Amino acid sequence: GESVGLHLPTLSVQEGDNSIINCAYSNSASDYFIWYKQESGKGPQFIIDIRSNMDKRQGQRVTVLLNKTVKHLSLQIAATQPGDSAVYFCAVKGGADGLTFGKGTHLIIQP
Amino acid sequence: KAGVTQTPRYLIKTRGQQVTLSCSPISGHRSVSWYQQTPGQGLQFLFEYFSETQRNKGNFPGRFSGRQFSNSRSEMNVSTLELGDSALYLCASSEAGRDTIYFGEGSWLTVV
Repeated sequence: GESVGLHLPTLSVQEGDNSIINCAYSNSASDYFIWYKQESGKGPQFIIDIRSNMDKRQGQRVTVLLNKTVKHLSLQIAATQPGDSAVYFCAVKGGADGLTFGKGTHLIIQP
Repeated sequence: KAGVTQTPRYLIKTRGQQVTLSCSPISGHRSVSWYQQTPGQGLQFLFEYFSETQRNKGNFPGRFSGRQFSNSRSEMNVSTLELGDSALYLCASSEAGRDTIYFGEGSWLTVV
């Protein structure tokens, strides 16, 4: 099966700086990767996704990078704002199985 | 479009009781999946339904069950509740054939 690990349970950044949140996955056959943001008391909110045939995808202020060689996924948030404060989860899918989630990184924004 | 709707949002049950949680998917979404979220274990997959059929099941005991109705609405049931079942239960829906799932706000279950 798949396992997804995170590199840091907590990340503290200054407002206006860029944030980078990392994930590692175990199954080289995984073909779909997705990032969610979860604010306190709410359900996870879709941010951005990427398929294994790509190595980079950009959204509004967010970029997802996929390195299949080392099975590593990262989420970059540009010009971090107070509203970005949340827990960020990566999730990985391979085949017909459901998504496997990482434990999450709590992003803290320092004023 | 309305998002995924889950009811009830909060509930408290006693050990040994059973509970039913309800989920209405995004309009047009026919796939519904359920996840359990706890501080210790994170988000764990419970099961997935499509066209009233369970398509996938996670590694949970048989006390956890679910079903999907013809209108794609889904319910999950937990019988003989244990203290460790206290968690946020999240429902998510997706379009047929799509991998992206969209979550509801969850149902907070406390077992005392």
